[in-house]
Amino acid sequence: QVQLQESGPGLVKPSQTLSLTCTVSGSSISSGNYYWSWIRQPPGKGLEWIGYIYDSGSTSYNPSLKSRVAISVDTSENQFSLKLTSVTAADTAVYFCARRSRQHYYDVDWGQGTLVTVSS
Amino acid sequence: DIQMTQSPSSLSASIGDRVTITCRASQSISSYLNWYQQKPGKAPQVLIYAASSLESGVPSRFSGSGSGTDFTLTISSLQPEDFATYYCQQSYSTPLTFGQGTKLEIK
Repeated sequence: QVQLQESGPGLVKPSQTLSLTCTVSGSSISSGNYYWSWIRQPPGKGLEWIGYIYDSGSTSYNPSLKSRVAISVDTSENQFSLKLTSVTAADTAVYFCARRSRQHYYDVDWGQGTLVTVSS
Repeated sequence: DIQMTQSPSSLSASIGDRVTITCRASQSISSYLNWYQQKPGKAPQVLIYAASSLESGVPSRFSGSGSGTDFTLTISSLQPEDFATYYCQQSYSTPLTFGQGTKLEIK
C-alpha cells in the first residue's frame, strides 16, 4: 500500500519561502512509472495544480506560479519537496502531494494534506 | 490554459436518486478527463480516469462518459457515502486544470 505524507511548517510569514516535504512509502520515487505532484486547495475553494517532478529531476510547473516554485527530489530518502518563494496571504491553502500515473494520467494516491497559513 | 466548467455547482438529491454532473472543456481534450470525489477534510480520490474507466475498488454505480469537450459523471443510485464534492480534471496538457467542483448534498 502506497502512502504519502506531507510535512513542514504550518505558518509562514509574508514574503518568506514555504517549504514542504512529501515522504513516500510503499513505492520507489525512482520508479519511472509516476509523476510526483503538488496540488493545493485554498480554504473553501477548488483545487490548483502546482507542478510535478519525474525521471529524478525533470519538472513541469503551473505558469501562474512558475517564477516562484521549485520541486526537487531526494531519492535516498524517497522524498520530494516543494519550495514556494515570496508568499502572500493568497498562498494560504491545504497543500497535497500526490503520485500520478504516467500510463493513465491521473493522481492515483494522495497525501492527507497539510494546511499552510501565510500570516505575520 | 484549458478551462474546465462543471455544472451544476451544487446539487441536492435523495438516497436512491440518479445524478448526473457535467464537465465542459474550453477546447477538445480527447478522453483525457478524470473525476475525483472529495469529502470534507480529506484528500480527493479518483473515481473515473480516461473519461470512462472505473478505478479499481470504486463502486459500479459510478460511471463516466464523453469525449472531446463534453463529459458526464453519473451516479446510478445515490448512497449516503456519496454526498461529497466532485471535481473533474483535464490531463490533456499542462497546466493540469480542475473544474470548480460540484457539491452534492442530501435533500
